This record gives sequence, structure tokens and C-alpha cells, in this order.
Amino acid sequence: EIVLTQSPGTLSLSPGERATLSCRASQSVSSSYLAWYQHKPGQAPRLLIFGASNRATGIPDRFSGSGSGTDFTLTISRLEPEDFAVYYCQKYGTSTGYTFGQGTKLEIK
Amino acid sequence: EVQLVDSGGDLVQPGGSLRLSCAASGFTFNTHSMHWVRQAPGKGLEYVSAINSNGDTTFYADSVKGRFTISRDNSRNTVYLQMANLRAEDTAMYYCARSEPGRFSFDYWGQGTPVTVSS
Repeated sequence: EIVLTQSPGTLSLSPGERATLSCRASQSVSSSYLAWYQHKPGQAPRLLIFGASNRATGIPDRFSGSGSGTDFTLTISRLEPEDFAVYYCQKYGTSTGYTFGQGTKLEIK
Repeated sequence: EVQLVDSGGDLVQPGGSLRLSCAASGFTFNTHSMHWVRQAPGKGLEYVSAINSNGDTTFYADSVKGRFTISRDNSRNTVYLQMANLRAEDTAMYYCARSEPGRFSFDYWGQGTPVTVSS
């Protein structure tokens, strides 16, 4: 079973700063199968990135995804106040289905 | 406009049963796989179950296998999650979500329905 490990667990930054979130897989994952979500309390999760680097519909271009193999990154170039939330990576496996990482909480410093 | 409306969550005793529903609108329901994802209090997202577009293929997380059953009624644009033999650890907010054909991510989500398993 492929495990996704996100780091850091909590990231404290100020609006306007750059955020770099990491998602590491225990085995290689096809880029097509890697996605990122934003989740705020009391709301449904929101798809940000699919296929490791493709922005979902309506997602601002300050969000970008990169990586391949076992190492993937979500970057937010300039943090806006509404970006503070929990972020999850997710992978798909043909025999194991979908798996989420444990999440990174992005909080205001 | 794509909408997914989750319902059916409730307080139920351990060992009890519950059926969740997710009513879809604004898209061609019978061409999309549908999924259930949950979040226990203070925890992260956990994938629960999936069903393909015509309902003949399903998937379950090990934690719910043998206790939960996913189904869909394409004539009613609705997906269901029948939950049996519920445990305290099934307490969570349950979200339905859809995936686009050929993609491996969830682009629309319901608002969630809460399930509490407690005596």
C-alpha cells in the first residue's frame, strides 16, 4: 500500500508570502493520479490541482503543482487571506483506490 | 450548475444502520463515477467507497468493507451509502463527490452530512 506523507504538518506564514507544501509517496505514483485539495472548516473540500500540475476550473494561478515519482509539491506564490486552510494531497491506485495524505494546516503567522 | 446534496446523516447507536443519499443535478449523472469520503472529528479526509457510472463496479476501504454498501439509481440521479453494523469510529462528516471520466480526482463535492454513532 502506497502511503502519502505531507510536510510540514503545520505551516505558519503571513499574507503575501510564498507557501511550499510537500507530499511524498512511499512508492512511485503516476503524475496522472495525484491531486491537491483545499479544505476549510464547515465547507466541502475544493479541488485545486489534478494530474499533479493542472489547475482545476476557477483556481487562481497563484496555485501551482509540480513533481513526479515520489515527490510532489503544491506552491502558493503569494498568500491571500482566504488561502489559510488545510491542504491534502491524494493519489489513486488501481488496486488500492484513493488515498489522502494526512494534511498540512496553513495558518496565519 | 453542478450540485451534490448529501442527506441522511443522524445519531445512531452502535450496531445500528443508516442510509446516506446524495442527489445530483446539473450534469449527466450516468457518465460519472461517484464517491464517498469522510472526515472524523479532528482528523483528516478518509476515502470510503466508489461506484462506477453504470453501477457494476464498486470499491470499499478496508475499514468499511463488509459493512457498507454503495449503490446508485441513475433514473433518480442519486447515489447511496448503506451503512450497517456501525461503530463509534464511523462517526464523521460524510461527503459525496464525483469524478470526471478519465480523471482521478474529485471536482465537485456535496456539503456533507454528519453521522454520529453513540449510545
